[in-house]
Amino acid sequence: AQSVTQPDIHITVSEGASLELRCNYSYGATPYLFWYVQSPGQGLQLLLKYFSGDTLVQGIKGFEAEFKRSQSSFNLRKPSVHWSDAAEYFCAVTLTGGGNKLTFGTGTQLKVEL
Amino acid sequence: NAGVTQTPKFRILKIGQSMTLQCTQDMNHNYMYWYRQDPGMGLKLIYYSVGAGITDKGEVPNGYNVSRSTTEDFPLRLELAAPSQTSVYFCASSYLQNRGETQYFGPGTRLLVL
Repeated sequence: AQSVTQPDIHITVSEGASLELRCNYSYGATPYLFWYVQSPGQGLQLLLKYFSGDTLVQGIKGFEAEFKRSQSSFNLRKPSVHWSDAAEYFCAVTLTGGGNKLTFGTGTQLKVEL
Repeated sequence: NAGVTQTPKFRILKIGQSMTLQCTQDMNHNYMYWYRQDPGMGLKLIYYSVGAGITDKGEVPNGYNVSRSTTEDFPLRLELAAPSQTSVYFCASSYLQNRGETQYFGPGTRLLVL
């Protein structure tokens, strides 16, 4: 069955440090991949998405993600984390034939230490 | 623009009670979605709508009903609340249903069933 896995439930980084959040998918065909962020008490906001082409995609708030087909991964990165980045991050896919229905990973909660 | 708005923000229900979660978008989007988010889990699709008068089931529709009489509104109805429906509910909308179309999320409704 198709699935999205985020192996890290919680991650803590110091402000100014680099960040990498992992996302792996299990899906036979070419996935459409997304990263969403959920700040406390807020809805989800799209950070970036990948369909095809350049495997390194840039998003909002200084985030980027790299699609690696050989590893079935779409990891989210940021070179220098700010305290305001503390939030929950969700990786998601849309599946062929599924229209625009999103399948989400379980999320990674990011804590930023000052 | 207000985007996607949801009411109420928080509600406590007794088992067996009914309620309607309201969702309104002002972006003239044809496509609307209801998700639920359980602790430690990703969002799961309950129902979606491709336009006024047209709705369809998602991954976890049992115990819920929806209607779509206007483009703007997509209410979610719980007829007989059960503790298993304790969750955070998110409404989302998108302009198109193409794979990869950005979904815009509301701030969520937190529901507790006791």
